Amino acid sequence: SQQGEEDPQALSIQEGENATMNCSYKTSINNLQWYRQNSGRGLVHLILIRSNEREKHSGRLRVTLDTSKKSSSLLITASRAADTASYFCATVVYNNNDMRFGAGTRLTVKP
Amino acid sequence: NAGVTQTPKFQVLKTGQSMTLQCAQDMNHEYMSWYRQDPGMGLRLIHYSVGAGITDQGEVPNGYNVSRSTTEDFPLRLLSAAPSQTSVYFCATQGAASYEQYFGPGTRLTVT
Repeated sequence: SQQGEEDPQALSIQEGENATMNCSYKTSINNLQWYRQNSGRGLVHLILIRSNEREKHSGRLRVTLDTSKKSSSLLITASRAADTASYFCATVVYNNNDMRFGAGTRLTVKP
Repeated sequence: NAGVTQTPKFQVLKTGQSMTLQCAQDMNHEYMSWYRQDPGMGLRLIHYSVGAGITDQGEVPNGYNVSRSTTEDFPLRLLSAAPSQTSVYFCATQGAASYEQYFGPGTRLTVT
């Protein structure tokens, strides 16, 4: 079963706007990661946030984690057409080598 | 460095046929894994390996076999292909010091 569930399933915005995607999960985790997948390609790692962290930044990406609500959000600021892709959250639980992915959010950024 | 490579890119099989999907890495990573991705779903873990000679089942292992004789290679075998195995298959690696996974470009498999 999937551990993470992304919301929304699809998001369409104009270039320059911010995009926010959410992820909810079910069990306690060691860390949560966000990946991007361009059409027809493999996944690319974007950012990792550990269970004892609440917020993390990387360039135009901002990730938050609320372990009490078992949820995370990914914010992409000043979006570009090149950000068009599917975004997945993935969770890693303690003492487990499994990484569980959500179904993804499909982001379209219109020029 | 090539990173993670997968062959073939595309494959069509008839029901009941067997085949092996190849995965190779030159990153010297101990951890390797196989996922399948179906439309509208995230990736589901099939099998993984924490090092040469060690493999374990993931979430959806039925119908698939793996072996890990070297650090570099982690082939996935379909014993008797079924239409339900039509999917895109991704191989991934992970270094010992990081939880970040590196993915191959995928193999698109169709079983008719």
